[in-house]
Amino acid sequence: EAEVAQSPRYKITEKSQAVAFWCDPISGHATLYWYRQILGQGPELLVQFQDESVVDDSQLPKDRFSAERLKGVDSTLKIQPAELGDSAMYLCASSLGTSKDTQYFGPGTRLTVL
Amino acid sequence: QKEVEQDPGPLSVPEGAIVSLNCTYSNSAFQYFMWYRQYSRKGPELLMYTYSSGNKEDGRFTAQVDKSSKYISLFIRDSQPSDSATYLCAMLGNTDKLIFGTGTRLQVFP
Repeated sequence: EAEVAQSPRYKITEKSQAVAFWCDPISGHATLYWYRQILGQGPELLVQFQDESVVDDSQLPKDRFSAERLKGVDSTLKIQPAELGDSAMYLCASSLGTSKDTQYFGPGTRLTVL
Repeated sequence: QKEVEQDPGPLSVPEGAIVSLNCTYSNSAFQYFMWYRQYSRKGPELLMYTYSSGNKEDGRFTAQVDKSSKYISLFIRDSQPSDSATYLCAMLGNTDKLIFGTGTRLQVFP
C-alpha cells in the first residue's frame, strides 16, 4: 500500500540552527500539505501545494519558515533559525486533488528545539 | 472561540464498552466531516468521512452529523484495547482548509 514518506523521523536541534524536513507524497497525488501539530493539539495547516504551486501559506511564519515543492513531487520544509516554540510534530499529507479528497498523512517528524 | 471544540479527555473505558466521542463547531459553512485516528508517534489516519447531516456506519464505527446543532459524534461499539489512540475530528467548508479539533485521547483497558 502506498504511503507518504517523511524524514527524518526525529530531529533535535539548538535554537538559532537551521533544520529541514523532507516529504515524498503518494505517487500521483497532486496536492501536498505540511501541518504542524503541537503536543495535545490538532494539526494546523502551514502550507498547501497544488503540484508545484503554493495554494495556501497564510499560516506559515515566512520570516523563518520556507517550503518548496520543485517539480511538483517531493517537498522540503525549512526553518531558519529554529526557536524554542517550534518544537512540535511536523506532518506531511497528500491527496489526489482538492482538500475534499482524502488526505493521507505521513508518520511525521518530531522536532525538539533546545 | 475555536471553530472546532473537542474534549481532550482522557477517556478510559473497559474492553467491550460503547465509546462516544464528540465535537462541536461554530462555522455553519462546514459541510464535510471526518474522524481521524492517531496512534502515539504516528500520523493521523482517516476513519470516517461524511458529507452533510446523517449517519454513516463502517463495521464497529458509526459517525453522526447534526448540522442543526453543529455537533458531530463518533461511536465505537465493542471497543478493543487496539482502539486506544487519539481521535481527531476534522471539518472542511468553503475555504478548502481542513480544520481539526484538539483530539480526544481514548484508552481501552482489558
